[in-house]
Amino acid sequence: GQQLNQSPQSMFIQEGEDVSMNCTSSSIFNTWLWYKQDPGEGPVLLIALYKAGELTSNGRLTAQFGITRKDSFLNISASIPSDVGIYFCAGRETGGSYIPTFGRGTSLIVHP
Amino acid sequence: DGGITQSPKYLFRKEGQNVTLSCEQNLNHDAMYWYRQDPGQGLRLIYYSQIVNDFQKGDIAEGYSVSREKKESFPLTVTSAQKNPTAFYLCASSMPGYYGYTFGSGTRLTVV
Repeated sequence: GQQLNQSPQSMFIQEGEDVSMNCTSSSIFNTWLWYKQDPGEGPVLLIALYKAGELTSNGRLTAQFGITRKDSFLNISASIPSDVGIYFCAGRETGGSYIPTFGRGTSLIVHP
Repeated sequence: DGGITQSPKYLFRKEGQNVTLSCEQNLNHDAMYWYRQDPGQGLRLIYYSQIVNDFQKGDIAEGYSVSREKKESFPLTVTSAQKNPTAFYLCASSMPGYYGYTFGSGTRLTVV
């Protein structure tokens, strides 16, 4: 099936730093979703994107739907210790199944 | 409060035994899903159901079985045929056509 390439696989940063991660696909998507999973819990939806070029914020988080419709980006500004977790991208391929495809996740560790 | 409940949180079983993981939702969602999560592997779809008494195999259905007798409930049975059952299992639900899932808090299954 469709594969999503999510990078980086892991990040180790200092509190206060900004974070960037991205997700790319080999085909055109019409929906991009970003989730955060706290350790030992289920993922929680952070941001949903539905149009190419769309830029959406949720507090210190900002996500963008790439203009090529084959990628998406998530930025976290001024990281804090509670940002620790795994961030997953997910997307729905245009003309494909309604079941979204998930990336493998970016593990974020924030040092105080 | 509406939500999705998985139980138990931790489960230990001996090799060769079948085990059933519970998933209940009171969100009135039509669709329910089961995912398996292994370190570095992201989320892999086991089974999904769009309506009561109907379900479809996902990408890794071998060794698993499900039932959907009620809208609120979607239990997953891990059978002895599953070669490597130790993993974190996540249940999710959604409304039809909406790609943002609500996830449960997961069940960590350890087979010894």
